Amino acid sequence: EAGVAQSPRYKIIEKRQSVAFWCNPISGHATLYWYQQILGQGPKLLIQFQNNGVVDDSQLPKDRFSAERLKGVDSTLKIQPAKLEDSAVYLCASSLRQITDTQYFGPGTRLTVL
Amino acid sequence: GENVEQHPSTLSVQEGDSAVIKCTYSDSASNYFPWYKQELGKGPQLIIDIRSNVGEKKDQRIAVTLNKTAKHFSLHITETQPEDSAVYFCAATRTNAGKSTFGDGTTLTVKP
Repeated sequence: EAGVAQSPRYKIIEKRQSVAFWCNPISGHATLYWYQQILGQGPKLLIQFQNNGVVDDSQLPKDRFSAERLKGVDSTLKIQPAKLEDSAVYLCASSLRQITDTQYFGPGTRLTVL
Repeated sequence: GENVEQHPSTLSVQEGDSAVIKCTYSDSASNYFPWYKQELGKGPQLIIDIRSNVGEKKDQRIAVTLNKTAKHFSLHITETQPEDSAVYFCAATRTNAGKSTFGDGTTLTVKP
């Protein structure tokens, strides 16, 4: 079974620039999560999708972050404009359906904002 | 909101020794507690989980205990091996709200 795919793996941008991350979850997984992991901290949930609907985006900084999951499969997370404090690893995870179903994480995208 | 504290932040043991990592949570409504292992350059991987109606769960060398009254849960790794070296994260989850809060991680080093 193929795992969660993410791209790019690394991205370096200057502050105020825009950046987008892509995630392809495990086939058949209805639930998709985007997490932000700052160095030395645990992952923090940014947004959770069930199929193509948003379940929770309470911790998503909506003035600069946006995410979509078209057709309930792939997802993109965008930051516009980026700030220095956005430097982090952005993790995508998917699960079959419920929060208690095993979450499978992708390798993450390491973002550096200069 | 939920607050999860994880201790210690770093742990070094000799191969064959046991390792214990502890987490406390604040929200009494949390009822699902997964543990993840994260190796360098990879995403977290679920290694064991426990639900609030169970006090202990074991899977080979790994066990998790839960004390709902005290709101803390622990990960126990016995007969540690160098390949157990990684960052371990606990999480507390309110399943009715679909929310998980992670601890800040424990870096475990197993010395051969």
